[in-house]
Amino acid sequence: DGGITQSPKYLFRKEGQNVTLSCEQNLNHDAMYWYRQDPGQGLRLIYYSQIVNDFQKGDIAEGYSVSREKKESFPLTVTSAQKNPTAFYLCASSTTRTASYGYTFGSGTRLTVV
Amino acid sequence: KNEVEQSPQNLTAQEGEFITINCSYSVGISALHWLQQHPGGGIVSLFMLSSGKKKHGRLIATINIQEKHSSLHITASHPRDSAVYICAVRRETSGSRLTFGEGTQLTVNP
Repeated sequence: DGGITQSPKYLFRKEGQNVTLSCEQNLNHDAMYWYRQDPGQGLRLIYYSQIVNDFQKGDIAEGYSVSREKKESFPLTVTSAQKNPTAFYLCASSTTRTASYGYTFGSGTRLTVV
Repeated sequence: KNEVEQSPQNLTAQEGEFITINCSYSVGISALHWLQQHPGGGIVSLFMLSSGKKKHGRLIATINIQEKHSSLHITASHPRDSAVYICAVRRETSGSRLTFGEGTQLTVNP
């Protein structure tokens, strides 16, 4: 079945360490996105990519980095520069070639920094 | 002020009740999405609307582009409908990016 796989589901890291969250899709979607969710707030866009080897900053990109070397993969690195990294991270993908822009979301990674 | 506002923030209902969740937005949009997030965190897309009304099972979504307002209705609610319902818009100027509301926590009691 086609979908998005995020791993791991739960992640614990020590303060000051970089950590990379995985996102893989087999939907042949061109666009991929990383969102952050904090309690009581809407999802906020961190980075997005509409084509391989290209990506753009979202609304809260500081302290994060991404790469898009393959169409299927869009890993997110939470760096030590991110002041408050504990959050729920969601990856999504969508089509870009039609007006429908169908969206598919992953199941998320809950990151806790101690 | 958020570009996408949802009401209510929290909603508790008894099984069988008719439920309405509202979404208002302040920007020009090309589409509006209704999403469902279960306690585990994963999100499922329920509807994408650019005009009119859509129905899927017990769920109905409507949008009024002139009034910049959308509603999600659940008929004959059931405890398994308990989830966070999120409204998100695709702005005319943002390509495929979405802007999200804060979500409505729905609890349906048996």
